Amino acid sequence: EDQVTQSPEALRLQEGESSSLNCSYTVSGLRGLFWYRQDPGKGPEFLFTLYSAGEEKEKERLKATLTKKESFLHITAPKPEDSATYLCAVPGYNKLIFGAGTRLAVHP
Amino acid sequence: EPEVTQTPSHQVTQMGQEVILRCVPISNHLYFYWYRQILGQKVEFLVSFYNNEISEKSEIFDDQFSVERPDGSNFTLKIRSTKLEDSAMYFCASSVGAGANTGELFFGEGSRLTVL
Repeated sequence: EDQVTQSPEALRLQEGESSSLNCSYTVSGLRGLFWYRQDPGKGPEFLFTLYSAGEEKEKERLKATLTKKESFLHITAPKPEDSATYLCAVPGYNKLIFGAGTRLAVHP
Repeated sequence: EPEVTQTPSHQVTQMGQEVILRCVPISNHLYFYWYRQILGQKVEFLVSFYNNEISEKSEIFDDQFSVERPDGSNFTLKIRSTKLEDSAMYFCASSVGAGANTGELFFGEGSRLTVL
């Protein structure tokens, strides 16, 4: 069965301290990898879709990259408002399969 | 900006009672989903719905669960006889496409269900 594993489970950063979140996946024929952001008590919010190894997408301080076995979400000079849980997901049959997420806390 | 709306935002019910959670998906979307998230755990797929029928469901979505699109706008999740372990946040989502063509799922704010 398709699986998505995210690491670390939680990450604490100081404002301005860049870092990366990891998403590794085992799927039979990748048909896209998705990153979402989830704020406490809210629904996930779409960030990026990556379709092929080597592809990169950027949005403000976030950059997502994809290899054949994993994806990284790079956060450059984060701000406190970047604090959230970041989820990655892969498509199954008529559904998205989510990882457990990385809880990011950025402190001033 | 179009959004998915869910009601109620919070419902408290007694074990064994029936609960209906309601969702209004984005109007031009064709695929509808229910996910749930138990406090502190991952977002879990329950069911997807297309063309007025279930297209995929998880092991969680057993006989006590049902979904319906009673009219052109609402999408409902019914839990027939709630159990303590049904306590969770339930998210409705919709998308233009599905699977590899999902592009993005648009999620509602969720309905928090507390079963006592």
